[in-house]
Amino acid sequence: AQSVAQPEDQVNVAEGNPLTVKCTYSVSGNPYLFWYVQYPNRGLQFLLKYITGDNLVKGSYGFEAEFNKSQTSFHLKKPSALVSDSALYFCAVSPPASGGSYIPTFGRGTSLIVHP
Amino acid sequence: GAVVSQHPSWVICKSGTSVKIECRSLDFQATTMFWYRQFPKQSLMLMATSNEGSKATYEQGVEKDKFLINHASLTLSTLTVTSAHPEDSSFYICSARQGATYNSPLHFGNGTRLTVT
Repeated sequence: AQSVAQPEDQVNVAEGNPLTVKCTYSVSGNPYLFWYVQYPNRGLQFLLKYITGDNLVKGSYGFEAEFNKSQTSFHLKKPSALVSDSALYFCAVSPPASGGSYIPTFGRGTSLIVHP
Repeated sequence: GAVVSQHPSWVICKSGTSVKIECRSLDFQATTMFWYRQFPKQSLMLMATSNEGSKATYEQGVEKDKFLINHASLTLSTLTVTSAHPEDSSFYICSARQGATYNSPLHFGNGTRLTVT
């Protein structure tokens, strides 16, 4: 069975500072990894994904994430946080299975608060 | 980009009535859609997987007779909350996968805030 852990319920960072939102995963085989962002009273928006290749993937709104196979981590990062980045962030994993409908597993979410 | 439209965005209903929520993929075909429930400041709880032309697959603990899911076409899935009660009040979100491969991201509707009085 696959699982995702987001160890922090909340991350606080000052505007202009770098931010990191942590995610670790457990899955058999090579994973497909995703980050999503949710603004209040909205659905989730896709930010970025890792499938294969370069361990550093770049996504929307200046976010990037680094895949680390040995540490089974996929932390979300941004060099300089904006107040508008304040939102709920979800990490998700799915195995590269074939056939049938896959069901991605989501972490519990991390609330990012960027202070002016 | 892929757009999923969810309607209504909010609804207030009286206890005992039924509410239907629609989820449409506007510019792509979605053979599979997922329905989630989200409580305040909590993660997503997968309720069911909706497959076009077949019965939905419900997660353990989700009452299939209470949460009726119909996926009649490749672009439309509906969730009907039957005989709603105040404890059904929640934020319901649908999502659809664009593409047939598992590395395709999910695209989410904007959610429906259901309040049962």
